[in-house]
Amino acid sequence: DTAVSQTPKYLVTQMGNDKSIKCEQNLGHDTMYWYKQDSKKFLKIMFSYNNKELIINETVPNRFSPKSPDKAHLNLHINSLELGDSAVYFCASSQVPDNYNEQFFGPGTRLTVL
Amino acid sequence: RKEVEQDPGPFNVPEGATVAFNCTYSNSASQSFFWYRQDCRKEPKLLMSVYSSGNEDGRFTAQLNRASQYISLLIRDSKLSDSATYLCVVNMGLVPALIFGKGTTLSVSS
Repeated sequence: DTAVSQTPKYLVTQMGNDKSIKCEQNLGHDTMYWYKQDSKKFLKIMFSYNNKELIINETVPNRFSPKSPDKAHLNLHINSLELGDSAVYFCASSQVPDNYNEQFFGPGTRLTVL
Repeated sequence: RKEVEQDPGPFNVPEGATVAFNCTYSNSASQSFFWYRQDCRKEPKLLMSVYSSGNEDGRFTAQLNRASQYISLLIRDSKLSDSATYLCVVNMGLVPALIFGKGTTLSVSS
């Protein structure tokens, strides 16, 4: 009965490859997010979708493309992986896209690019 | 200037100690404020929201000073299980994106 789940938990791949990370939430929330936590532990917003519509798109290389097939899922596809993409990627969800709701985070996907 | 700044620590304290963490934020239009907790190699989890009037949850007390753009977290009677990284988090108001500080690491020892 995991609230926000991500797959895979670990991903090790070579530079130049294309990979996807999947996220699902069973909380009935309308809004989902992708965050990146780099080696210096800074956690930074990348994207947010509300009911399958993109509402936040921070300055992220266009090699990163989020896709939301329905409001319970938000996947992240990364093309032409680079060494600097190595990080932990967290998916999160909140009930509505306002400023006061708690965001619930998934367990993270640890991506290592060799 | 970073949007949310925290003293990274680490803070090493004995069980039973009282410890205080501070945080400053740069955007005076910020609307909501939180403390999240992150255990090693785990996801962040909400510890408590922070209100202008100050709020308390058991051993934890959070304060907000909007004039000084300053947030604090006080932990009383520290437990071993309080060892974690405490993230100061601000929502700037325009979009529902959380802005995280780098976190303050607390280590409580017996």
